[in-house]
Amino acid sequence: QQQVKQSPQSLIVQKGGISIINCAYENTAFDYFPWYQQFPGKGPALLIAIRPDVSEKKEGRFTISFNKSAKQFSLHIMDSQPGDSATYFCAATPSGGYQKVTFGIGTKLQVIP
Amino acid sequence: DADVTQTPRNRITKTGKRIMLECSQTKGHDRMYWYRQDPGLGLQLIYYSFDVKDINKGEISDGYSVSRQAQAKFSLSLESAIPNQTALYFCATSDGLTDTQYFGPGTRLTVL
Repeated sequence: QQQVKQSPQSLIVQKGGISIINCAYENTAFDYFPWYQQFPGKGPALLIAIRPDVSEKKEGRFTISFNKSAKQFSLHIMDSQPGDSATYFCAATPSGGYQKVTFGIGTKLQVIP
Repeated sequence: DADVTQTPRNRITKTGKRIMLECSQTKGHDRMYWYRQDPGLGLQLIYYSFDVKDINKGEISDGYSVSRQAQAKFSLSLESAIPNQTALYFCATSDGLTDTQYFGPGTRLTVL
């Protein structure tokens, strides 16, 4: 059972365009929603994260939009650059002490010049 | 120096061989994880450990075992490797506060 559904699996965007990756979840106990960025040959690294008490979080060109009622969250990359080409994973963690992270399937983003 | 290190980085082995992948961390985190990454399947949790005396199975633990030798060390073993265990393996740690995962560089394992 895929608890965090991520789409699309691959995305091609022109340089300067907006990249949008969507995730949906079912478990209402999730209360921390990070996005990870993975470059080829490297491990994933935290990019940006949000908690459900806010609807949007922005860090530079990267923005998370969060819709608690729809149980959806998305990553927007503004002014996409070739250096943003990577695989992006959304994730979610429930509240409580001893809980593990659930990852989405990943989106391979290619930004073309 | 990297906070989470994995050895070896690449390994080619044959079906039936026993393989151990090692992970060390200098972040001082209690929580450690082993993930497997396959194209189109994302990151799948194999085992996780919330402290030295705690070991838990993840989604795909069959065919794998782990050992938490110390707070800083968590190793993954394939008792009898099979070709469909060919994948990229990642170790990760977290601090238990936000559960942000800090990943190692990965081990690419090929089972012939």
